[in-house]
Amino acid sequence: DVKVTQSSRYLVKRTGEKVFLECVQDMDHENMFWYRQDPGLGLRLIYFSYDVKMKEKGDIPEGYSVSREKKERFSLILESASTNQTSMYLCASTGAGAGRETQYFGPGTRLLVL
Amino acid sequence: GESVGLHLPTLSVQEGDNSIINCAYSNSASDYFIWYKQESGKGPQFIIDIRSNMDKRQGQRVTVLLNKTVKHLSLQIAATQPGDSAVYFCAEIGFQKLVFGTGTRLLVSP
Repeated sequence: DVKVTQSSRYLVKRTGEKVFLECVQDMDHENMFWYRQDPGLGLRLIYFSYDVKMKEKGDIPEGYSVSREKKERFSLILESASTNQTSMYLCASTGAGAGRETQYFGPGTRLLVL
Repeated sequence: GESVGLHLPTLSVQEGDNSIINCAYSNSASDYFIWYKQESGKGPQFIIDIRSNMDKRQGQRVTVLLNKTVKHLSLQIAATQPGDSAVYFCAEIGFQKLVFGTGTRLLVSP
């Protein structure tokens, strides 16, 4: 079974803090994604990566950055957390090519910024 | 508690009934569709998928129907059980981008 893990299930941070969210997948997937999920808005793509050291902006990249130094690990960074970044953050991964588009999700990190 | 489904449409069914959850997608060029189930406090879980060259696909207790003419997708759950209670949402893939619907909350009462 595909396993996607996220470093924390719940996180409480203060405004202005730097926040690191870690995601690890064990299926040798090429593609990894970070989403945030908010009531009434569904999942919105923040950043994604198709390969090591490669990153692409999603629909809402402002206030976030990412790092992919190893194939299995994709980190989301909030340089200076703000209260409007309080959300559920979901990491996903998928293989490359036709027939491997299904995204497998981690359990999510619920971040509260005070 | 989990607030991800606060503003979602809700479908309430009795245990044992069949459930039908609908989804309208936006991109006529989308060629791959997925249904996910998200239980409270958990990440989305893959249920079933379908490609645009098909109009029906069956899994265990679940069936997905695709109507490309009206850009409509539905998920049918047979003999719904309390464990099926969750938020269900569809996703479409077109031009390598995955677009998610906002979801429907399914409530199953005994």
